[in-house]
Amino acid sequence: EAGVAQSPRYKIIEKRQSVAFWCNPISGHATLYWYQQILGQGPKLLIQFQNNGVVDDSQLPKDRFSAERLKGVDSTLKIQPAKLEDSAVYLCASSLDLPTTRTDTQYFGPGTRLTVL
Amino acid sequence: AQSVSQHNHHVILSEAASLELGCNYSYGGTVNLFWYVQYPGQHLQLLLKYFSGDPLVKGIKGFEAEFIKSKFSFNLRKPSVQWSDTAEYFCAVKEGGTYKYIFGTGTRLKVLA
Repeated sequence: EAGVAQSPRYKIIEKRQSVAFWCNPISGHATLYWYQQILGQGPKLLIQFQNNGVVDDSQLPKDRFSAERLKGVDSTLKIQPAKLEDSAVYLCASSLDLPTTRTDTQYFGPGTRLTVL
Repeated sequence: AQSVSQHNHHVILSEAASLELGCNYSYGGTVNLFWYVQYPGQHLQLLLKYFSGDPLVKGIKGFEAEFIKSKFSFNLRKPSVQWSDTAEYFCAVKEGGTYKYIFGTGTRLKVLA
């Protein structure tokens, strides 16, 4: 079974530029998550999709971050404009079940390491 | 705000030593509990999980964890570590009410050959 795919793996941009990340979840997984992991910290949830609808985006900085999941499969996360503090690894995860399912388990992609100069 | 604490940020052990990594959470309701591992250059992988039932959970590669509800803890253990266990370990909690996942800050384990 193929895992969660993400691209690009690395990205270096200057502040105020825009950047987009792509995620392809495990086939058939209903729920998709985007996390931000700053160096030395644990992953922090940015946004959660259930099929193609947003379940939780309470920690997404909506003035500069946006995300979409068209057709309930692939997803993109965009930052525009980027700030220095956005330097982090952006992780995508997916799970077969809905978050309300007791046995829901997330599976993670390799992440995209973003450096903002 | 709910939180997950991993008190040991860096741990260095010799091969064959026993391991215990602490994880405490602050949510008082129903929780699902997870340990993830990230080997150097690799992505986060699920090590083990607890949903209900026997509080002693066994995972892959000889790891186990014990859920102690009264202590809000889910500590990870391994009786004898190997050099290949060198990695970063993350504890995560899924809150039963909000269904949100919260991760700890991670523990970097280095095992000396």
